[in-house]
Amino acid sequence: AQSVTQPDIHITVSEGASLELRCNYSYGATPYLFWYVQSPGQGLQLLLKYFSGDTLVQGIKGFEAEFKRSQSSFNLRKPSVHWSDAAEYFCAVGRGISGGYNKLIFGAGTRLAVHP
Amino acid sequence: GAVVSQHPSWVICKSGTSVKIECRSLDFQATTMFWYRQFPKQSLMLMATSNEGSKATYEQGVEKDKFLINHASLTLSTLTVTSAHPEDSSFYICSGGLGDQPQHFGDGTRLSIL
Repeated sequence: AQSVTQPDIHITVSEGASLELRCNYSYGATPYLFWYVQSPGQGLQLLLKYFSGDTLVQGIKGFEAEFKRSQSSFNLRKPSVHWSDAAEYFCAVGRGISGGYNKLIFGAGTRLAVHP
Repeated sequence: GAVVSQHPSWVICKSGTSVKIECRSLDFQATTMFWYRQFPKQSLMLMATSNEGSKATYEQGVEKDKFLINHASLTLSTLTVTSAHPEDSSFYICSGGLGDQPQHFGDGTRLSIL
């Protein structure tokens, strides 16, 4: 069965510091991979996705992620964190079907706090 | 980009009542929509997959008679929590997408049962 692991429940960084959020997945085929961000009491916003091709993907708000098949990882990075990046971050894997993917399996999430 | 509108954003009601939550795709047609439940400080758990014109597919452990899903058109799916009780209080989120494109999420509905 597919699963997604986000090892870090909470991360605190200083504003301006670099950030890396870890994500490992378990899936037999080529996965559809996503990172979403959620602010308190709101829905999810897509940061970036990986379907195929270049393993380093660029997203919105200065985020990027790298797909490493050998490590079953899809870590999210940002070179310089802003106070507005404080939120909950979810990694997700989509189960592939003919023509795309269907339901998403989410990791437990990583709560990011940013110190001024 | 694709937008999913979810309504209401917050509802408080008495135990025993039924509550309907709507999820609309505003600028695309969603043959499939998904309903999630999220407890405080936890991840999203898929409840069911809503298919336009057919019965929803429920995940294991989700009571289909408690959580009624209707997907009568390509732009509207509804979730009705029947005879709601305090343990049904949660944050419910829907999502929709096209084929192999990323899912777009509604802003969620916070349900509080007194």
